Amino acid sequence: EAQVTQNPRYLITVTGKKLTVTCSQNMNHEYMSWYRQDPGLGLRQIYYSMNVEVTDKGDVPEGYKVSRKEKRNFPLILESPSPNQTSLYFCASSRGLLLYGYTFGSGTRLTVV
Amino acid sequence: AQSVTQLDSQVPVFEEAPVELRCNYSSSVSVYLFWYVQYPNQGLQLLLKYLSGSTLVKGINGFEAEFNKSQTSFHLRKPSVHISDTAEYFCAVLNNAGNMLTFGGGTRLMVKP
Repeated sequence: EAQVTQNPRYLITVTGKKLTVTCSQNMNHEYMSWYRQDPGLGLRQIYYSMNVEVTDKGDVPEGYKVSRKEKRNFPLILESPSPNQTSLYFCASSRGLLLYGYTFGSGTRLTVV
Repeated sequence: AQSVTQLDSQVPVFEEAPVELRCNYSSSVSVYLFWYVQYPNQGLQLLLKYLSGSTLVKGINGFEAEFNKSQTSFHLRKPSVHISDTAEYFCAVLNNAGNMLTFGGGTRLMVKP
């Protein structure tokens, strides 16, 4: 089944403890992206990647890092999480946003205490 | 830069009634518009898109949207809603480079029996 898989689905952590949210897609998509979803703000893009080793900042990149060493994986790294990064995170991939739109993962709910 | 405004954060409606979810956009050049739906505890799914041509666009599950350039709007409509349409709906605009999709704040559609 074609899908985007995120792990974990739920995560509670403490301020300052480094964490990684994994994202993997099995559709050979070149384009991948991370969003965070907050009530009333919709989805805001954190980082995106057009291909392997090509990444760029979205609208809210501060406090996040990404890497794209392989086409299928696009992990999101929080080096020193803070409470304002408590949010619902989505990974998404596409073979072309204009014609095909995104395939989204199921989301990761992160709580930083 | 493009932006999207969804005018209603919540829309309650009775089953089998018609519904319209409003979306206004701002974009300086070509306009590519999308509607996505998010069912509870799931990622987003593409509902429909406007790229060019006919201003009335039909999507899945009986939804349609009308692109109105003079009013910079892309409202989503359904003539008769079902309980299963209860979800959050997001309007989005794609930039000209085709690499960034900007979402509105979302509208929660609540269908009552």
